[in-house]
Amino acid sequence: AQTVTQSQPEMSVQEAETVTLSCTYDTSESDYYLFWYKQPPSRQMILVIRQEAYKQQNATENRFSVNFQKAAKSFSLKISDSQLGDAAMYFCALHQTGANNLFFGTGTRLTVIP
Amino acid sequence: SQTIHQWPATLVQPVGSPLSLECTVEGTSNPNLYWYRQAAGRGLQLLFYSVGIGQISSEVPQNLSASRPQDRQFILSSKKLLLSDSGFYLCAWSGQGVETQYFGPGTRLLVL
Repeated sequence: AQTVTQSQPEMSVQEAETVTLSCTYDTSESDYYLFWYKQPPSRQMILVIRQEAYKQQNATENRFSVNFQKAAKSFSLKISDSQLGDAAMYFCALHQTGANNLFFGTGTRLTVIP
Repeated sequence: SQTIHQWPATLVQPVGSPLSLECTVEGTSNPNLYWYRQAAGRGLQLLFYSVGIGQISSEVPQNLSASRPQDRQFILSSKKLLLSDSGFYLCAWSGQGVETQYFGPGTRLLVL
């Protein structure tokens, strides 16, 4: 069975500082994709970053980067130079190749302190 | 570019009333379409997905049904709403054979 675990229900960061959100997962498949989605107060789910499991290089999108540790089944999100607009719920998600479902973690609420 | 629309944005319905939520996608053809529900303070649960017109797969047995009458239209329905149907409903799309899903703005449903 597939599981996604986010062990930090809440995190906070000072504006302009760096924060790391944790995610661990479990899957028996070797081919899969991992995602981080952001859900602001409007509640629309916005794709932040994606990582293909077969790629060793960590994905990066501007101020957002991941630390993908395949052996440890860990997929953390680092937000650099945090901005007030980064405040949101962040969800880690797993997609197994050939499946139709995205498996979501329970989310981490990020607060950015001015 | 592709866009995804959902309506209504908010809905308050009495128990036992019918439901129809609509989702449409623009700027792409033959997408995979998905309905998710998010309970308060939780992640998303997949309810239905569709790989083509008239093709619906249900992930969770429940009081809801889905239909896909057109290529880029996905409808979530119920004949009689239950209190437990309250939640936030999100529609998503992905390209065929593509893993990334993109979400609509969602519908807040409150059943009283």
